[in-house]
Amino acid sequence: AQSVTQLDSQVPVFEEAPVELRCNYSSSVSVYLFWYVQYPNQGLQLLLKYLSGSTLVESINGFEAEFNKSQTSFHLRKPSVHISDTAEYFCAVSEAGGSYIPTFGRGTSLIVHP
Amino acid sequence: GAVVSQHPSWVICKSGTSVKIECRSLDFQATTMFWYRQFPKQSLMLMATSNEGSKATYEQGVEKDKFLINHASLTLSTLTVTSAHPEDSSFYICSARAGGTGGNTEAFFGQGTRLTVV
Repeated sequence: AQSVTQLDSQVPVFEEAPVELRCNYSSSVSVYLFWYVQYPNQGLQLLLKYLSGSTLVESINGFEAEFNKSQTSFHLRKPSVHISDTAEYFCAVSEAGGSYIPTFGRGTSLIVHP
Repeated sequence: GAVVSQHPSWVICKSGTSVKIECRSLDFQATTMFWYRQFPKQSLMLMATSNEGSKATYEQGVEKDKFLINHASLTLSTLTVTSAHPEDSSFYICSARAGGTGGNTEAFFGQGTRLTVV
């Protein structure tokens, strides 16, 4: 079984500042890793994912995450945030090559202030 | 990406009545669909996994007689909350993935249904 820990329940930042949302996972097997974003009263949208290959993955809106196997982490970063990035962010893990049932972290609320 | 449509986006019902929520994959065949429940400011809790044409697999603690799941076709799964009570009020989200061993690893999510039982 896998588990995901998102250490920060809420991260307040000012607009144009850099941000890092932390995610650590636990698993006895190889994993796939995901970050999802959820805007109020909406479903989840995939932000980026790591399946294999390069450990640094990027999204089209400036977010990136790096898979660190030794530290079992998959932190999400953005060098300069916008007001529109305010949302709930969920890290998820699933067993690589398995039945794909993602296990979600509890979420981190990113609040961007002007 | 693929589109998953969930309907309705919100519903208010009286206590004791039943409510059906639909989840459709619009441009792909979803061999597996997942139903989640999300409480305010909390993560998604997996309720059940359903494969087309077979009975759903419920997570521990989820009442299968209360939350009826039907996955009758490759593009449609339904969740029926039977004899709803105020404590069933929540945000319900479905997700769907194309299937097969080693197949698509990404699940696509519906926009969610806000259920309020009064």
